[in-house]
Amino acid sequence: GENVEQHPSTLSVQEGDSAVIKCTYSDSASNYFPWYKQELGKRPQLIIDIRSNVGEKKDQRIAVTLNKTAKHFSLHITETQPEDSAVYFCAASVRDTNAGKSTFGDGTTLTVKP
Amino acid sequence: KAGVTQTPRYLIKTRGQQVTLSCSPISGHRSVSWYQQTPGQGLQFLFEYFSETQRNKGNFPGRFSGRQFSNSRSEMNVSTLELGDSALYLCASRGVGLGVYNEQFFGPGTRLTVL
Repeated sequence: GENVEQHPSTLSVQEGDSAVIKCTYSDSASNYFPWYKQELGKRPQLIIDIRSNVGEKKDQRIAVTLNKTAKHFSLHITETQPEDSAVYFCAASVRDTNAGKSTFGDGTTLTVKP
Repeated sequence: KAGVTQTPRYLIKTRGQQVTLSCSPISGHRSVSWYQQTPGQGLQFLFEYFSETQRNKGNFPGRFSGRQFSNSRSEMNVSTLELGDSALYLCASRGVGLGVYNEQFFGPGTRLTVL
């Protein structure tokens, strides 16, 4: 089955710095790669996603890159702010018309120091 | 639209008992997935239902089972509870069909504690 590895497990940065979280996956059939943010005591929420036919996607301060050949994808957060502090999860999914199994990484706890 | 809801929000059981958790998806969403989240761990996929049929299954023992009703509401059941089953159980719903890459929305979760 699919295996997703996520690094680092914890990341501490100064406000205004950039943060990078990396994930690798094993199943070449995976075609959808979402990233979720989970604040303490809250549910995971999608922050950005990328499809297998796209190499990069950006949304304001957040960007995701995908290297299908190497089977890895990364989340980049620029100009970090204290409210970016949370646990971030990557996932690799095999999506078709009626189903979609998602395998998640173990999460990265990001702390942004003011 | 109302979001994904789960009941109950908190549950305390003892070893050996069984438990049933409920998930109501966003109106119109027909895919429901269940995940187990333990402290410091990621989300472990349990199973996915679409149109009352289990489409995918994770690597959990047979004590974990689920079902989906015609209105897309879903339940999961855990029999013969073990201490290690203590976790946050999250369900997520997704609209399928025309949008293969539709967003998955999570519910607030049910916190299960096994004593």
